[in-house]
Amino acid sequence: GQQVMQIPQYQHVQEGEDFTTYCNSSTTLSNIQWYKQRPGGHPVFLIQLVKSGEVKKQKRLTFQFGEAKKNSSLHITATQTTDVGTYFCAGHRGSTLGRLYFGRGTQLTVWP
Amino acid sequence: NAGVTQTPKFQVLKTGQSMTLQCAQDMNHEYMSWYRQDPGMGLRLIHYSVGAGITDQGEVPNGYNVSRSTTEDFPLRLLSAAPSQTSVYFCASSYKGAPRVEQFFGPGTRLTVL
Repeated sequence: GQQVMQIPQYQHVQEGEDFTTYCNSSTTLSNIQWYKQRPGGHPVFLIQLVKSGEVKKQKRLTFQFGEAKKNSSLHITATQTTDVGTYFCAGHRGSTLGRLYFGRGTQLTVWP
Repeated sequence: NAGVTQTPKFQVLKTGQSMTLQCAQDMNHEYMSWYRQDPGMGLRLIHYSVGAGITDQGEVPNGYNVSRSTTEDFPLRLLSAAPSQTSVYFCASSYKGAPRVEQFFGPGTRLTVL
């Protein structure tokens, strides 16, 4: 079954509104990664969090890793049309780094 | 440094045909993976490899074979194509050493099986 759940599947916002996608794993993750895929493109790495409770920011993007290392979130403040795409969370389990478990992604649409 | 390359970019097959999707990376990455992406299903892992000569199954391995004879190449073979294998296929690679284990993706192969 699905190891990493991600919600919502789709999100439509008006430019300037905030956006959040949530990721939840059934097991503890050794890290959490976030990727962005533009329409017609391939996934591109955004960031990795490793520590329990870690919070990282990239301009308007804020990433959090839960205390139990089972959940994560990505928050975008004041969305822009350039934020359009699908955002995936992914994580490694234990010390096995060869296999990455992906969520199904949240497809973000931003209306101008 | 070309990163991860995939060929072909597009392919149309008839049911029952076989073919190989090529993937190569020039970053000397130990780990390589194959994913398929279907609408609403995200990225599903087909097979992955942690080094030359070592491969393992992912979430959806049936109908696909892989081998890893060199660090650089990780081809994906469709044994007898079926319409259910119509999808976009991505190859990815990553460095072995922690903590930086981000995956680098190729541009993808869009496969249609008629």
